[in-house]
Amino acid sequence: DAGITQSPRYKITETGRQVTLMCHQTWSHSYMFWYRQDLGHGLRLIYYSAAADITDKGEVPDGYVVSRSKTENFPLTLESATRSQTSVYFCASRGPQGQPQHFGDGTRLSIL
Amino acid sequence: DQQVKQNSPSLSVQEGRISILNCDYTNSMFDYFLWYKKYPAEGPTFLISISSIKDKNEDGRFTVFLNKSAKHLSLHIVPSQPGDSAVYFCAASVGYGGSQGNLIFGKGTKLSVKP
Repeated sequence: DAGITQSPRYKITETGRQVTLMCHQTWSHSYMFWYRQDLGHGLRLIYYSAAADITDKGEVPDGYVVSRSKTENFPLTLESATRSQTSVYFCASRGPQGQPQHFGDGTRLSIL
Repeated sequence: DQQVKQNSPSLSVQEGRISILNCDYTNSMFDYFLWYKKYPAEGPTFLISISSIKDKNEDGRFTVFLNKSAKHLSLHIVPSQPGDSAVYFCAASVGYGGSQGNLIFGKGTKLSVKP
């Protein structure tokens, strides 16, 4: 089915572990984004990508790594997870300028 | 410093009445504004947008008003329905989606529409 999918939907891990959140879109959108949503903060941009092999930092990039080897995939990696990274993570993609971003259903990540 | 502010964390409205959700912004460079709706355990869904060259945009029951001089926008839902109960996020960007399309989000307003 066309759209944007995130996996896993739920993840529990321990501090210090590496964890990767996956995002896949079927629209061939150039732009992709990662946000985190926390109580009292709304959605904050972590990283974004304008095209394959082009990524840039958003508002809260520390502790995260991204890559984009293919247009359709934009994984987000926490190299050494910390409790402060417990959050709900949303991936989004966007087509041409002026079009809205479309979001996946999120990954709820708990770090113990 | 918050560039996009939704000062009402929650709003309760009777079914059939008008819901008015408000949003203020501080960055005068913003020229593209969007509203997203979010249900629990789902991602935000695009609702309606407006560019700074307009002061109103309408889509069915949803109308967004933009007052650039006051740096204020509002979303009107008429008539409100129980299925409209959700969290509504206001978002803004520079450059009509911008070369990056980066959106700055408010913290959201939880709308409850009571039957």
